Amino acid sequence: ETGVTQSPTHLIKTRGQQVTLRCSSQSGHNTVSWYQQALGQGPQFIFQYYREEENGRGNFPPRFSGLQFPNYSSELNVNALELDDSALYLCASSFNQGFGGYTFGSGTRLTVV
Amino acid sequence: AQRVTQPEKLLSVFKGAPVELKCNYSYSGSPELFWYVQYSRQRLQLLLRHISRESIKGFTADLNKGETSFHLKKPFAQEEDSAMYYCALRANSGYALNFGKGTSLLVTP
Repeated sequence: ETGVTQSPTHLIKTRGQQVTLRCSSQSGHNTVSWYQQALGQGPQFIFQYYREEENGRGNFPPRFSGLQFPNYSSELNVNALELDDSALYLCASSFNQGFGGYTFGSGTRLTVV
Repeated sequence: AQRVTQPEKLLSVFKGAPVELKCNYSYSGSPELFWYVQYSRQRLQLLLRHISRESIKGFTADLNKGETSFHLKKPFAQEEDSAMYYCALRANSGYALNFGKGTSLLVTP
């Protein structure tokens, strides 16, 4: 059984650019959630995808968008990057929208300069 | 609105001493409460959830709806318990986990 894998592990982007982060969910999981963790803070919910549809969203602007694919892997896209977008981005997968708990990936560290 | 408060950023205890990591929440409905732990250089992992009422690695947590608390306790701390601990809430009608800012536990010999 494989866990949640995220790529890349680290990324440096310039303000105004666009970035795509990727997540492979754990085998058997059909739900993926994305979180942003700023330095010294707890993770903050961005959105969740269940069976390829976004079915929950936190307090993040529309320039944060995502996709879930038929194999339940997912992408997080951020347009028009701002310095405050610098954070650790965590992906969590689960079965049926959190039933049985969430499995987290190791995260992608995004630095915006 | 949902809110999770972990009042201590850092908690330092000696090995063998009891430890209590505090978590208070605000939510008008019936929440689901979790404790997650992150050891150095490892990913965030579930430690325990209130609905399962189990003890993991000697840790327990009881949901106190009157005090809106879900404190994490262990009677005898071990050095390997040193980690970052996050309390999280999920609304009964939602899917998102709402995390506190975390408490860094340091257990010294």
